[in-house]
Amino acid sequence: EVQLVESGGGLVQPGGSLRLSCAASGFTFSDHYMDWVRQAPGKGLEWVGRVRNKPKSYTTEYAASVRGRFTISRDDSKNSLYLQMSTLKAEDTALYYCTRLERRLGSQNSYFYYMDAWGTGTTVTVSS
Amino acid sequence: IQMTQSPSSLSASVGDRVTITCRASQSIASSVNWYQQKPGKAPNLLIYGASNLQGGVPSRFGGSGSGTDFSLTISSLQPEDFATYYCQQTYSTVWTFGQGTKVEIK
Repeated sequence: EVQLVESGGGLVQPGGSLRLSCAASGFTFSDHYMDWVRQAPGKGLEWVGRVRNKPKSYTTEYAASVRGRFTISRDDSKNSLYLQMSTLKAEDTALYYCTRLERRLGSQNSYFYYMDAWGTGTTVTVSS
Repeated sequence: IQMTQSPSSLSASVGDRVTITCRASQSIASSVNWYQQKPGKAPNLLIYGASNLQGGVPSRFGGSGSGTDFSLTISSLQPEDFATYYCQQTYSTVWTFGQGTKVEIK
């Protein structure tokens, strides 16, 4: 069974830092791209960023709202994904989800990518 | 790429046909996924590539569209379908979600 378990959330002051972790099990972690998605209280989903796999040199992408402040990394030997957050702002308060990306070849020889597994999330609160 | 979802909420009865639309700010081919989220739960994938049903998802869910206009249709609304639905574009390297559509019981 695919499992993603986030941890590391908590209360942090504005300007502070926090590191989230996601422990993966039940699949070959190293094969997959992995994303972080967040959801502010009572709000919609916001894509945070991605780390690709080793064949793609572990390259990363970020939403404009977090670029330069957040860093996504992974340790395939530990089946773990990380989100290092710095210079935190009140608007970073959210439930943070770890997600697995899967891909399927479409009819026009291009891939469709989608999030087919989600953790239950870890809550980050940025407040003084 | 902005994804504009409509309506933001709707009320419907069990058995109704429901359609939610999503418009992209530029052409994105068929690079749209749809997710369902129930209160206190993580989202669940329904549709990928605009029209492909994810395994295990009931056939009353269907997706269509390409370019800039996309839709999610529930052919006969069931009690367990009352939830919030999100579209997502995967065309650009920076993905974005629509703002969500809450489907409530009439």
